[in-house]
Amino acid sequence: DAGVTQSPTHLIKTRGQQVTLRCSPKSGHDTVSWYQQALGQGPQFIFQYYEEEERQRGNFPDRFSGHQFPNYSSELNVNALLLGDSALYLCASSRGAEGTEAFFGQGTRLTVV
Amino acid sequence: GNSVTQMEGPVTLSEEAFLTINCTYTATGYPSLFWYVQYPGEGLQLLLKATKADDKGSNKGFEATYRKETTSFHLEKGSVQVSDSAVYFCALRRYSGGGADGLTFGKGTHLIIQP
Repeated sequence: DAGVTQSPTHLIKTRGQQVTLRCSPKSGHDTVSWYQQALGQGPQFIFQYYEEEERQRGNFPDRFSGHQFPNYSSELNVNALLLGDSALYLCASSRGAEGTEAFFGQGTRLTVV
Repeated sequence: GNSVTQMEGPVTLSEEAFLTINCTYTATGYPSLFWYVQYPGEGLQLLLKATKADDKGSNKGFEATYRKETTSFHLEKGSVQVSDSAVYFCALRRYSGGGADGLTFGKGTHLIIQP
């Protein structure tokens, strides 16, 4: 079982650019959530995708958008990058809209310069 | 809104010492409660969970009891090992008609165990 896989592992972008991060959920999981973890902080919920729709959203601006594909994999897109977007981006997968246990990937470290 | 407060770190203990990491929460309804652990350079791993009041979650010698009257979910271990050194996150998840909300995390407690 491959678990949750994220790509790339590290990324450096310039302010104002756009970035796309990718996530493949654990086998058998159909729900994907994205989190932003700033250095020294706990993860902050960005949004959750289930049945290819955004079901829940945290307190993040519209610059953060996502997509879920028919195979349940997901992308996180961030437009007009700011220095403050530098963080570890974590993807978590679970089963069903009410899955109680979320499995996390190792994250993508985004640095905005 | 929902929030989780956990004790500030770092917490430094000697091997075989008793561990307590305090966690309190604010949420409407009846959330599920979790402890996650993050080892250096790795993602989050679920350590234990409790889904209703008075439930006790346990795993790898760690325990936490869901106390609704004190809105707490303190993590305990009777005898810590060097390998327990990591960052520990307390988290909650609410459930509504639309399904499960995203997890709400505390800021994390860095635990350092010295031999």
